[in-house]
Amino acid sequence: AQSVAQPEDQVNVAEGNPLTVKCTYSVSGNPYLFWYVQYPNRGLQFLLKYITGDNLVKGSYGFEAEFNKSQTSFHLKKPSALVSDSALYFCAVRDMGNTGKLIFGQGTTLQVKP
Amino acid sequence: DAGVIQSPRHEVTEMGQEVTLRCKPISGHNSLFWYRQTMMRGLELLIYFNNNVPIDDSGMPEDRFSAKMPNASFSTLKIQPSEPRDSAVYFCASSPRGNTEAFFGQGTRLTVV
Repeated sequence: AQSVAQPEDQVNVAEGNPLTVKCTYSVSGNPYLFWYVQYPNRGLQFLLKYITGDNLVKGSYGFEAEFNKSQTSFHLKKPSALVSDSALYFCAVRDMGNTGKLIFGQGTTLQVKP
Repeated sequence: DAGVIQSPRHEVTEMGQEVTLRCKPISGHNSLFWYRQTMMRGLELLIYFNNNVPIDDSGMPEDRFSAKMPNASFSTLKIQPSEPRDSAVYFCASSPRGNTEAFFGQGTRLTVV
């Protein structure tokens, strides 16, 4: 069965510092991996995805994520955090080639302090 | 395209009443998902359609919940009878062919009193 784990409920970082939001996954075949962001009272917005190719993928708003197959991880990163990055972040995995289900982790709240 | 459209945005109903949530996916998308978001359980997948056919409804909590997709441009999620523990934000999302990313609607905030 596919699953996604985000081990941290909350990540705190100072503005201008690098940030990392962690994600590990489990899926039977090759994974399609995604990061989404949710601002208060809004729907989820797509940030970036890994399908195949380079392990480092770049997305919206300066975010990037690194796919590590051996560690089954897909951590979200940004070199310099902004206060406006404060939001709820979700990692997701899609079961490629099987049912196509899209499963989300429990979410990590990112708090960037000035 | 206007994106995924959900209605209503807010719904307040009394326990025991029937509630119907509506979703219009993005034109041309062939997959549709219904999710429920609560503080306690996070974002749960309730049901997933592909080409208007339910593929996986294992997340539907109980028989009070039902979902339909009569055509490619419309889906409903119905709760009958509703209970206070059904209070949550319900999201609909759609994605195009090819197992790519899903696009979310703004959600329906359901409150059952």
